[in-house]
Amino acid sequence: ETGVTQSPTHLIKTRGQQVTLRCSSQSGHNTVSWYQQALGQGPQFIFQYYREEENGRGNFPPRFSGLQFPNYSSELNVNALELDDSALYLCASSPGQGGTEAFFGQGTRLTVV
Amino acid sequence: TQLLEQSPQFLSIQEGENLTVYCNSSSVFSSLQWYRQEPGEGPVLLVTVVTGGEVKKLKRLTFQFGDARKDSSLHITAAQPGDTGLYLCAGAVPGANSKLTFGKGITLSVRP
Repeated sequence: ETGVTQSPTHLIKTRGQQVTLRCSSQSGHNTVSWYQQALGQGPQFIFQYYREEENGRGNFPPRFSGLQFPNYSSELNVNALELDDSALYLCASSPGQGGTEAFFGQGTRLTVV
Repeated sequence: TQLLEQSPQFLSIQEGENLTVYCNSSSVFSSLQWYRQEPGEGPVLLVTVVTGGEVKKLKRLTFQFGDARKDSSLHITAAQPGDTGLYLCAGAVPGANSKLTFGKGITLSVRP
């Protein structure tokens, strides 16, 4: 059984650029959630996907968007990057809709300069 | 807005000591989870508590969910350097189980 994997592990982008982060969910899990963790803070919920549909969204602007694919892997896209977008982006997968037990990947460290 | 406050924010203790840390809220949660996170890594799930008053043990770690399901505590017996890390609590709100609300975490350092 493979766990949640994210790519890339580290990324440096320039303000105004766009970025795509990728996540492969744990085997058997059909729900994927994305979180943003700023330095010294707990993770903040961005959104969740269940069976390719958005299933809940946190307080993030529309330039944060996502996709889930038929194999339940997912992408997080961020447009018009701002310096404050610098953070650790975490993907978590859960078994079933509304599953509260979340299993996290190692994260993608995004730095916006 | 549901907020989870964790205390203390930082804790540095000697190997072998016992400690208790807390996760408090004014909101009711349908479940509460504790995670441990190492620097540069994702959080690792330690336990999920669901029932008010529930107590769960994981080796030297004891987790308790408050009777009103608004708070939780984590007690570590005979702490070891391997317990060092960031301890996060996260709550699932009734009717919005898709979203976990996290506290800021407790940074624990256990000195050999």
